[in-house]
Amino acid sequence: AQSVTQPDIHITVSEGASLELRCNYSYGATPYLFWYVQSPGQGLQLLLKYFSGDTLVQGIKGFEAEFKRSQSSFNLRKPSVHWSDAAEYFCAVVNNAGNMLTFGGGTRLMVKP
Amino acid sequence: EAGVTQFPSHSVIEKGQTVTLRCDPISGHDNLYWYRRVMGKEIKFLLHFVKESKQDESGMPNNRFLAERTGGTYSTLKVQPAELEDSGVYFCASSQVGELQETQYFGPGTRLLVL
Repeated sequence: AQSVTQPDIHITVSEGASLELRCNYSYGATPYLFWYVQSPGQGLQLLLKYFSGDTLVQGIKGFEAEFKRSQSSFNLRKPSVHWSDAAEYFCAVVNNAGNMLTFGGGTRLMVKP
Repeated sequence: EAGVTQFPSHSVIEKGQTVTLRCDPISGHDNLYWYRRVMGKEIKFLLHFVKESKQDESGMPNNRFLAERTGGTYSTLKVQPAELEDSGVYFCASSQVGELQETQYFGPGTRLLVL
């Protein structure tokens, strides 16, 4: 069965600092991977997705993620965090049928001024 | 273009009562999904509609949950009778059929509290 692990439940960074959120997956085939963000009072917004091709994926809001098959990882990065990035971030993988997303537990990001 | 909308945004009910959640997908999206996040846990898949048909309901926890999508437009998720462990956030998502590994677009969720 597929699974996703986000090892960090909470992360606090200073505004302007770089950010890396970790995501590890377990999946038998080629994974299709996603990062979503949920800001307070909002729904889940897609940041980026990886299906195939270039393992470095660019997303919205200046985020990027790198797929590393050898490490079963899909870590999310941003070079300089803004206060508005404070939110909860979810990594997910979709099943073969393409209908069921399996989510990690989420990482809550706090940004210090 | 309007996104996925959900109603109500919050619901507080007592154990044993009935609650009905509604989801309006993005116009033209034939795929509709329900997920929920129980407090402190991961977001979990509940079921998937293609138009009005249930494609996959493997995540439905028990027969107290009933999802419908009459006419293939909006969907409702009824919990009857509600139990304490049903508290959480219920998300709806929709996607287009035909797109490779269709991206699911999520609504803001309904926060359900069962007392």
